[in-house]
Amino acid sequence: DGGITQSPKYLFRKEGQNVTLSCEQNLNHDAMYWYRQDPGQGLRLIYYSQIVNDFQKGDIAEGYSVSREKKESFPLTVTSAQKNPTAFYLCASSSWLTGPLPGYEQYFGPGTRLTVT
Amino acid sequence: AQTVTQSQPEMSVQEAETVTLSCTYDTSESDYYLFWYKQPPSRQMILVIRQEAYKQQNATENRFSVNFQKAAKSFSLKISDSQLGDAAMYFCAYNGGSQGNLIFGKGTKLSVKP
Repeated sequence: DGGITQSPKYLFRKEGQNVTLSCEQNLNHDAMYWYRQDPGQGLRLIYYSQIVNDFQKGDIAEGYSVSREKKESFPLTVTSAQKNPTAFYLCASSSWLTGPLPGYEQYFGPGTRLTVT
Repeated sequence: AQTVTQSQPEMSVQEAETVTLSCTYDTSESDYYLFWYKQPPSRQMILVIRQEAYKQQNATENRFSVNFQKAAKSFSLKISDSQLGDAAMYFCAYNGGSQGNLIFGKGTKLSVKP
C-alpha cells in the first residue's frame, strides 16, 4: 500500500537535545511538507520541499532544520534553539503540477508527538 | 496574505441529522483549491473533499457536500445523515499561488450525539 510513514509515534527528549523526526513516502510525490500542530492553532507550516536537494522555510522555521537527499525521505530535526518544541508534528506529501497552480491536495502521515522536558 | 477562518470552534449534531460547518477565506488569487480535512481522535488527517475554484459546480463525496460561494469567499461543508464516526476535528484549507502550500483554519470540533 502507498502511504506516508512517520516514526516514532511518541518521542521524549530532554531540553537542550536535538531530535530528528522521520518521514518516508512511497507515493512518488515530488513535494513534501512538515507541519506543527498545537491545541487551538490549527496546522502551521515549518518547512517544505518541492524537489530533491531543495527546500524552503515555512512560517515557523526558526529552531528547525530539514534535508531532502532522497525523493522518498524528508527528515525534520528539532534543535535546542526551538523554544517550545513540545507539539504534534505532521508530515505530508503531494504531487507537484506544472502551471501557475502547482500545489494540490496533500496526504498526511500519522504524526509524531514530541514531548520535551 | 491568504487567511482561512473557521468561526465555529465546536458544533454538535444528532445522529442521522445534517450539520453545516462554515469556512471563509481571504485571497486575491482567482484560481485556487479548497479542501476539507477530517482529524479523528487518532489524529490522522484525512482528506474529505476538494473544490477547484474554477469549477462552479459544488463538489460532493457521498454524504459530504460543499457550498462554494466564490464571490463571498465562503466554503461550507455539509454532512448529511451524520454518523458516530463523523465525530472529529474538521479543518478547512486553502491552496493557491506558486508556493503550493496549504493554509489551514483553526478547526471545528464536531460531536455526534447518539
